[in-house]
Amino acid sequence: AQSVSQHNHHVILSEAASLELGCNYSYGGTVNLFWYVQYPGQHLQLLLKYFSGDPLVKGIKGFEAEFIKSKFSFNLRKPSVQWSDTAEYFCAVRHPAAGNKLTFGGGTRVLVKP
Amino acid sequence: DGGITQSPKYLFRKEGQNVTLSCEQNLNHDAMYWYRQDPGQGLRLIYYSQIVNDFQKGDIAEGYSVSREKKESFPLTVTSAQKNPTAFYLCASSTGQGTVYQPQHFGDGTRLSIL
Repeated sequence: AQSVSQHNHHVILSEAASLELGCNYSYGGTVNLFWYVQYPGQHLQLLLKYFSGDPLVKGIKGFEAEFIKSKFSFNLRKPSVQWSDTAEYFCAVRHPAAGNKLTFGGGTRVLVKP
Repeated sequence: DGGITQSPKYLFRKEGQNVTLSCEQNLNHDAMYWYRQDPGQGLRLIYYSQIVNDFQKGDIAEGYSVSREKKESFPLTVTSAQKNPTAFYLCASSTGQGTVYQPQHFGDGTRLSIL
């Protein structure tokens, strides 16, 4: 079955540390890729997306993600995290041949210690 | 402000009862979705609808039913056939398809608990 994998379930780091969250998917062909963030008590928000073009995508709040087609990966990065980045992060994949459906990874809970 | 409204925020159900979760959007989006969020499993698609009066099963449709009589509304019924209904339910909507697809917008969710 097609799937999206986020290998880190929990990440704990200190402020100013760098963050990288892994996301791998098993779909072949053209895909659209997304990272969503869910801050405590808030709804899911789109962090960034990749449809085509430059594989290095910049999103809000200093986040970026790199699409590596050969590795089926779309890892999320931030050079220096802040306490306010404490949240749960979800990778999602849309396969255009499957219409508008999104398949989500299991999520990664990130705790940034002040 | 445009957005997605889910109600109620918290819902309690007795064993054997059906309950209906509401989802309304004023974004003029064609497509609407229901997800279930469980710890460590991310979001799993229950049902989705790409147009009024049409909907498709997602990955975990058993024990759930939906209707899409109006563009702005996509209620989800959790039936007594759903064996493990305690979860956080999220509604989303989006517009476009193919190359004009736009990312999904999410509501604040409904937390359903079994008494």
